[in-house]
Amino acid sequence: AQSVTQLGSHVSVSEGALVLLRCNYSSSVPPYLFWYVQYPNQGLQLLLKYTTGATLVKGINGFEAEFKKSETSFHLTKPSAHMSDAAEYFCAVSSGTYKYIFGTGTRLKVLA
Amino acid sequence: ETGVTQTPRHLVMGMTNKKSLKCEQHLGHNAMYWYKQSAKKPLELMFVYNFKEQTENNSVPSRFSPECPNSSHLFLHLHTLQPEDSALYLCASSHPIGGTYNEQFFGPGTRLTVL
Repeated sequence: AQSVTQLGSHVSVSEGALVLLRCNYSSSVPPYLFWYVQYPNQGLQLLLKYTTGATLVKGINGFEAEFKKSETSFHLTKPSAHMSDAAEYFCAVSSGTYKYIFGTGTRLKVLA
Repeated sequence: ETGVTQTPRHLVMGMTNKKSLKCEQHLGHNAMYWYKQSAKKPLELMFVYNFKEQTENNSVPSRFSPECPNSSHLFLHLHTLQPEDSALYLCASSHPIGGTYNEQFFGPGTRLTVL
């Protein structure tokens, strides 16, 4: 079975500060891991994904995430927050099939 | 149109009404999905279609009836809904199930309110 835990349903950062959104997963098989972003009144947009290979994954809009097997984590980071990053972020895990298990989401607020 | 589109974007209906949600994908995919997104809950996978054939019904009540006439279109027919069915309904599409992995592309969703 697989599961995802996103620590912190709400995170606030100042503009220009580091963004760190936490995701821990549980999986009995090698996981495929995803981060999606959802802007208000929009669907989910893929930010980045880890399938195999390099554990540091770079995505769109300056985001990146690192797969740490020993810590069962896939935290999302961005060095400098921008006002346009305000959105809800979802971590998801898959075993490589179409079945995604999503976390409950983290709402990011960026303070001016 | 590009990507995955959904209509209507907003829908308010009474419990006795019948309505339908429409999803269309312009990505050449062959798998399509319906998800329910409720506040403070993880996305719930409702139905999956692969090459127009339903491959998953995730214990969804019969008041939700999906239809997939071809690989580009997916409908969700609604009747006698309950207030707790109010949510954002998201459609997604991907390459065929059974491939290496199925990156899913999402539409903007239909915000449904049941009165």
